[in-house]
Amino acid sequence: GENVEQHPSTLSVQEGDSAVIKCTYSDSASNYFPWYKQELGKRPQLIIDIRSNVGEKKDQRIAVTLNKTAKHFSLHITETQPEDSAVYFCAARENSGYSTLTFGKGTMLLVSP
Amino acid sequence: DSGVTQTPKHLITATGQRVTLRCSPRSGDLSVYWYQQSLDQGLQFLIQYYNGEERAKGNILERFSAQQFPDLHSELNLSSLELGDSALYFCASSGGQGSTSGRFYNEQFFGPGTRLTVL
Repeated sequence: GENVEQHPSTLSVQEGDSAVIKCTYSDSASNYFPWYKQELGKRPQLIIDIRSNVGEKKDQRIAVTLNKTAKHFSLHITETQPEDSAVYFCAARENSGYSTLTFGKGTMLLVSP
Repeated sequence: DSGVTQTPKHLITATGQRVTLRCSPRSGDLSVYWYQQSLDQGLQFLIQYYNGEERAKGNILERFSAQQFPDLHSELNLSSLELGDSALYFCASSGGQGSTSGRFYNEQFFGPGTRLTVL
């Protein structure tokens, strides 16, 4: 089955700095990669996703890049704000049938004012 | 609000007991997923149902079972509870294979979770 590794487990940045979270996956058949943000005590919410036929996708201050050859993808947050503080999860899914998401263990991002 | 509801919000019980967690998916979503979230294990996929049928199994213990009813709500049954079963249990729903619900491809919408404490 799929295995997703996520690094770092915690990341502290100053407000205004950029933050990068990296994930690797093991199954070359995976071709859908979503990122979820989970604020303390709340539900995970999808913030951005990318399919394998795209190398990069941006949505305002967040972007995701995908390197299929190396089997890794990254989340980039620019101009970080205190409200970006949360746990971020990457996931991978093989796009066949009813395949499910395999999540990384999460990255706690702390943005200091 | 994601449109996915879960009850109860909190559940405190003793070892050896049995509990049932309930999930109602977003209107129109056919797939329901159950996840377990503990502090050191992230989001662990347990099981998926699609339109009443089991579709995929993850790291679900034999003491745990689930079902999806004709009205598409789902229940997760946890029996012979152990201290290590204490966790946050989420359900999520999506529109099924090939859905483009929301602005993301086949997005899974999570419920607010049920926090289970086993004493």
